[in-house]
Amino acid sequence: AQRVTQPEKLLSVFKGAPVELKCNYSYSGSPELFWYVQYSRQRLQLLLRHISRESIKGFTADLNKGETSFHLKKPFAQEEDSAMYYCALKERGDSGGSNYKLTFGKGTLLTVNP
Amino acid sequence: GAVVSQHPSRVICKSGTSVKIECRSLDFQATTMFWYRQFPKQSLMLMATSNEGSKATYEQGVEKDKFLINHASLTLSTLTVTSAHPEDSSFYICSASSKNIQYFGAGTRLSVL
Repeated sequence: AQRVTQPEKLLSVFKGAPVELKCNYSYSGSPELFWYVQYSRQRLQLLLRHISRESIKGFTADLNKGETSFHLKKPFAQEEDSAMYYCALKERGDSGGSNYKLTFGKGTLLTVNP
Repeated sequence: GAVVSQHPSRVICKSGTSVKIECRSLDFQATTMFWYRQFPKQSLMLMATSNEGSKATYEQGVEKDKFLINHASLTLSTLTVTSAHPEDSSFYICSASSKNIQYFGAGTRLSVL
């Protein structure tokens, strides 16, 4: 069963418009969630994590346990925000113990048009 | 920030040969490294978790004998694709864990002819 769902493969907005990238998760324990971003021809990099409750590059994400969501938001999108965004859930590895792993959603390609 | 180096960035090989991919944490020690596979326009799929000094933990459906993982030091993990076939062609990505955050390598594009 898919543990991390990003319903939108593609999202296109105009510069200056608000943007919301959706992420829903399924996890029986206390979730720890991340947003990773991959700009064109670059490696995957951490954008933000819910436990730090920080804003990076104007993006925020709030964990909503009732809705099991961790949507990524930015009030005014910029062209340089165009990238692939992945939501990821940290969960215990199959072997148990202290091993953890990240389970990624399928990603949303955000395009910010001028 | 933490830097992860992955080498080579691209490799082309003949069917039946073996290919080794290296993943190094350059400025930190990583007791745990991860190997992912990414198909075109799809998400990253975890293949295995590599722990320094112990056997790797493979995800369901990943052949241990096909994808050999060695994590002999705190800064190096290797993935060897043995007897590669065209269906093994893919983008392989490693990551290393530091303070509960995963830092990713730039990936290796493997093409098996």
